[in-house]
Amino acid sequence: GAGVSQTPSNKVTEKGKYVELRCDPISGHTALYWYRQSLGQGPEFLIYFQGTGAADDSGLPNDRFFAVRPEGSVSTLKIQRTERGDSAVYLCASSLGGKVTEAFFGQGTRLTVV
Amino acid sequence: GNSVTQMEGPVTLSEEAFLTINCTYTATGYPSLFWYVQYPGEGLQLLLKATKADDKGSNKGFEATYRKETTSFHLEKGSVQVSDSAVYFCALSVRNNQGGKLIFGQGTELSVKP
Repeated sequence: GAGVSQTPSNKVTEKGKYVELRCDPISGHTALYWYRQSLGQGPEFLIYFQGTGAADDSGLPNDRFFAVRPEGSVSTLKIQRTERGDSAVYLCASSLGGKVTEAFFGQGTRLTVV
Repeated sequence: GNSVTQMEGPVTLSEEAFLTINCTYTATGYPSLFWYVQYPGEGLQLLLKATKADDKGSNKGFEATYRKETTSFHLEKGSVQVSDSAVYFCALSVRNNQGGKLIFGQGTELSVKP
């Protein structure tokens, strides 16, 4: 596609449920990043993939959060036992060769946990 | 640790007014500095960047100079337009062997009135 695509654009879920957020990066981009943006805050780094492997997952807040990229393209961010504090906009970005400075961001998935 | 602090918003200006959005940073090592912009309904976009001290990044009439002595990277524009209304994020990139991740400030909302 022309840009980074994230689905769904909005997701409302009940506390305790499991959710999956999908990111389709720009074709050919080997690096993929997930960020979380809480209301009134800047984006916070969660995880960075280079190809299929997670090169840096130091931003994942706890073991309820997990992300995969099995074929080195589409990535899924998975959140188990959601909590109200997980409500945020989840942003995905992709870049060639791992240069975050050249990353293109998607419009994000707004997750609301009620 | 590494962090970015921006002036709080919202900032409201009349068209053709001068804009300054302050940004200061704390970093270990020698970061690269960025300004990102988020227009309503769109994904985060890189506005400008500077990779070493005294470098000036510029784009779309916006400028920012990397000041190592004051650890600052203030965003300026001589004459703002209504179309500049957006949220602006200052960010830094900390290098590591696995590729960089971005550390963002909290964002400053700019509203330009005709």
